[in-house]
Amino acid sequence: GESVGLHLPTLSVQEGDNSIINCAYSNSASDYFIWYKQESGKGPQFIIDIRSNMDKRQGQRVTVLLNKTVKHLSLQIAATQPGDSAVYFCADWGGADGLTFGKGTHLIIQP
Amino acid sequence: GAGVSQSPRYKVAKRGQDVALRCDPISGHVSLFWYQQALGQGPEFLTYFQNEAQLDKSGLPSDRFFAERPEGSVSTLKIQRTQQEDSAVYLCASSLTSRVGGRAKNIQYFGAGTRLSVL
Repeated sequence: GESVGLHLPTLSVQEGDNSIINCAYSNSASDYFIWYKQESGKGPQFIIDIRSNMDKRQGQRVTVLLNKTVKHLSLQIAATQPGDSAVYFCADWGGADGLTFGKGTHLIIQP
Repeated sequence: GAGVSQSPRYKVAKRGQDVALRCDPISGHVSLFWYQQALGQGPEFLTYFQNEAQLDKSGLPSDRFFAERPEGSVSTLKIQRTQQEDSAVYLCASSLTSRVGGRAKNIQYFGAGTRLSVL
């Protein structure tokens, strides 16, 4: 079936470096995407969203890029900090009322 | 302001017991969602309410799962005759508005979840 997934289960970066987390989706009808951050023992926390009529959207220290041609989504975090350590999920609205989440990427910050 | 609140945070049940999980959404939020998150996985959609109406229950895994939101605010997810495979974190989310263009497409804000362990 169609699903949203991530390329890498774990990403380790040095503090201060930029992080890039990737996501591939397969549902060509998907037109809305969200990135969530989930820390241990907490619920997913909204980071940024993007609609399919956009290629790029920026927030505070975060940028989401959408490439509809290859069905690829990425989250860029600038100047990664220890507090950025978490599991990051991309999710899409693919036709049902609920979000479809990928399995997540665990971002680890090295001091 | 207060976020989405879920209780209890942890629940241990013996196989075969019934459990009830509570969700208090953000005040004024029309839409409410329930998700199930297995260990090491992303959340999976269970059901959706718009006010008191359950508009989508396509994700409920069996007829042992039942959800309600009788007054359009607090919601309860009930699992009857719990099985070990029901062990997971159950997440509730709410969003401000209702369906737009046929789908409930708005930012969802999540609670911390209830971790259910069935022994």
